[in-house]
Amino acid sequence: AQKITQTQPGMFVQEKEAVTLDCTYDTSDQSYGLFWYKQPSSGEMIFLIYQGSYDEQNATEGRYSLNFQKARKSANLVISASQLGDSAMYFCAMREEGGSSASKIIFGSGTRLSIRP
Amino acid sequence: DAMVIQNPRYQVTQFGKPVTLSCSQTLNHNVMYWYQQKSSQAPKLLFHYYDKDFNNEADTPDNFQSRRPNTSFCFLDIRSPGLGDAAMYLCATSREGGYGYTFGSGTRLTVV
Repeated sequence: AQKITQTQPGMFVQEKEAVTLDCTYDTSDQSYGLFWYKQPSSGEMIFLIYQGSYDEQNATEGRYSLNFQKARKSANLVISASQLGDSAMYFCAMREEGGSSASKIIFGSGTRLSIRP
Repeated sequence: DAMVIQNPRYQVTQFGKPVTLSCSQTLNHNVMYWYQQKSSQAPKLLFHYYDKDFNNEADTPDNFQSRRPNTSFCFLDIRSPGLGDAAMYLCATSREGGYGYTFGSGTRLTVV
């Protein structure tokens, strides 16, 4: 069965520093997609970045980059120059192919990131 | 802007009283999902609709039902809410074949 593991329940980082959030995954599929979502205290799930399993280059979106190491099955999120507004819960997620039904996203347990001024 | 809208944002219901949460989308996505997220936990998929086909997760309690009368709307019905059903309920949509999932802002359900 597919699984996402986030081993950091919480992290504290000084403003303007870079931060890496860890994510490892387990799947037997050859084709899959990996996501990172941000969830502030208001509850909405905000899409940050996506990496396809066949993408050779690491995905980047502004201050967010995904360090994709396929052989190690890891997909760490790197946030450069952290800001106070980055304080939130961060979820790593994987698209699970559905076969005859639609694909589904499964989530890791999340990392709560707190940025110190 | 095309989006996914969940109403209401906050819902308080009585123990055992049926409640319905709604989700609408203007994206014309053919797949709609309902997730349950309890405090400090990961979202857990309850079920999804692929067009008109309903797909229930194996561990979703019978107390939870869903309806999708058309492409734009999907409803989550909780027949007899218990205290353990208090959670954030997230609706999401996707277009099969694409990778993007769009989430609504969620409905936070309180059971009293």
